[in-house]
Amino acid sequence: DTGVSQDPRHKITKRGQNVTFRCDPISEHNRLYWYRQTLGQGPEFLTYFQNEAQLEKSRLLSDRFSAERPKGSFSTLEIQRTEQGDSAMYLCASSWTANQPQHFGDGTRLSIL
Amino acid sequence: AQTVTQSQPEMSVQEAETVTLSCTYDTSESDYYLFWYKQPPSRQMILVIRQEAYKQQNATENRFSVNFQKAAKSFSLKISDSQLGDAAMYFCALSGGSNYKLTFGKGTLLTVNP
Repeated sequence: DTGVSQDPRHKITKRGQNVTFRCDPISEHNRLYWYRQTLGQGPEFLTYFQNEAQLEKSRLLSDRFSAERPKGSFSTLEIQRTEQGDSAMYLCASSWTANQPQHFGDGTRLSIL
Repeated sequence: AQTVTQSQPEMSVQEAETVTLSCTYDTSESDYYLFWYKQPPSRQMILVIRQEAYKQQNATENRFSVNFQKAAKSFSLKISDSQLGDAAMYFCALSGGSNYKLTFGKGTLLTVNP
C-alpha cells in the first residue's frame, strides 16, 4: 500500500493557461474523489469516479474543468483558461468501496499569477 | 443537503491534558458515517476516527474517542493525554447518500502547548 499519490505538488501558472493534475489512487480502490480546499476552509467536493465512470460532478466544477479516469486507474483533472479564483489546493482521495474511509493524497497546490 | 458545523475555529491544550473538539451536523440520510480527519501544516489529511451512524457505541482509537449523540446530531472528538504531535487542523466530516462524498466543516486549529 503506497498511498494516494498526486503530481505535481505545486503548480504556478499565469492566468489563462491550462493546467493538468494527476492522481494515482491506492491500488484496487475503485472509488476516486476530487476535492478543492481554499485557505481557511474545509475541502469541498468536486467530482467522483467509480472505476472509469464519472458519476457525479459538483456545480463548483464549471465547464472549464474536466476530469477523467481512463481504465479505472489514475485520474487527471484539467483546468482550462485558469482564473485567479482557481488558486487552491486540489485534493484526491480514494476508497475501496462506497462506505469505506477515503484516503487522501498530499494535494496539488495551484497558484495563479 | 448535508451540512457540518465546527464552532471552534481554534483550541489550545497543555501537553498531557485532555481536549474536546465540537461538531454538529445535519443530514436527511438514514445511513451515514462521521469522521474526524487531521491535517498537519502542509501535510496530508489523515483519518483519525470513524463512526457508523447505526452503531450506538462510541468509537475509540487509542487516545482518541468520540461522543456521538445521534438525536442531537452532535459528534465531538476527545483527545486524551495530548501530545505535541497532535497539533494540527482537525476537520469533522460526514458522508452518506448514493455517492458517499465527504462534506467537511471549516476545521478547528488545535495548538498543543509544552
